[in-house]
Amino acid sequence: DAEITQSPRHKITETGRQVTLACHQTWNHNNMFWYRQDLGHGLRLIHYSYGVQDTNKGEVSDGYSVSRSNTEDLPLTLESAASSQTSVYFCASRSGSSNEQFFGPGTRLTVL
Amino acid sequence: KNQVEQSPQSLIILEGKNCTLQCNYTVSPFSNLRWYKQDTGRGPVSLTIMTFSENTKSNGRYTATLDADTKQSSLHITASQLSDSASYICVVSRYSGGGADGLTFGKGTHLIIQP
Repeated sequence: DAEITQSPRHKITETGRQVTLACHQTWNHNNMFWYRQDLGHGLRLIHYSYGVQDTNKGEVSDGYSVSRSNTEDLPLTLESAASSQTSVYFCASRSGSSNEQFFGPGTRLTVL
Repeated sequence: KNQVEQSPQSLIILEGKNCTLQCNYTVSPFSNLRWYKQDTGRGPVSLTIMTFSENTKSNGRYTATLDADTKQSSLHITASQLSDSASYICVVSRYSGGGADGLTFGKGTHLIIQP
């Protein structure tokens, strides 16, 4: 069955370190998204991609970057982790013909 | 400003009882509205989608309603079960086909079903 996976599921890092969160989907969807979810804020869009070599900034993109070298993967990089980036991160994908997004299981990131 | 407001923030009910969750939105132009269920420690999963012309849609014990004139939606859960304990998120799309910048997320209602 097609799925979307994230790794690691939990990560603890220190302020200033570079961190990369992986997202892999086997739906063959062109569209992929990264969100963060914090108490009191709901899901907020960080970056998204409509296809290979395409990346776009969302509403909370500062301090994050993504790259899209193939259809299946959209890794999220925190260039220099900050305590404000402690959050739960969700990756999602969708086909071009629907706006239903399929979400991964999430990565809980703690920045100390 | 495009906004989605959900109420209540949290709700506790006894197993077997019914409940209704509310979603009010100011998103324009409206394309469709989805309700997602998010279990603890998991990603959200779509329950229903409603377009402008639809008033009611059911998915098992879940029934969603939409009033596009008043820009309100509700999610009614019948005969609640312990497995219904989750957060329920209302998501409104500004135009068909989605697109990352076309979605506005509510903050969710946290529902707890007590035995």
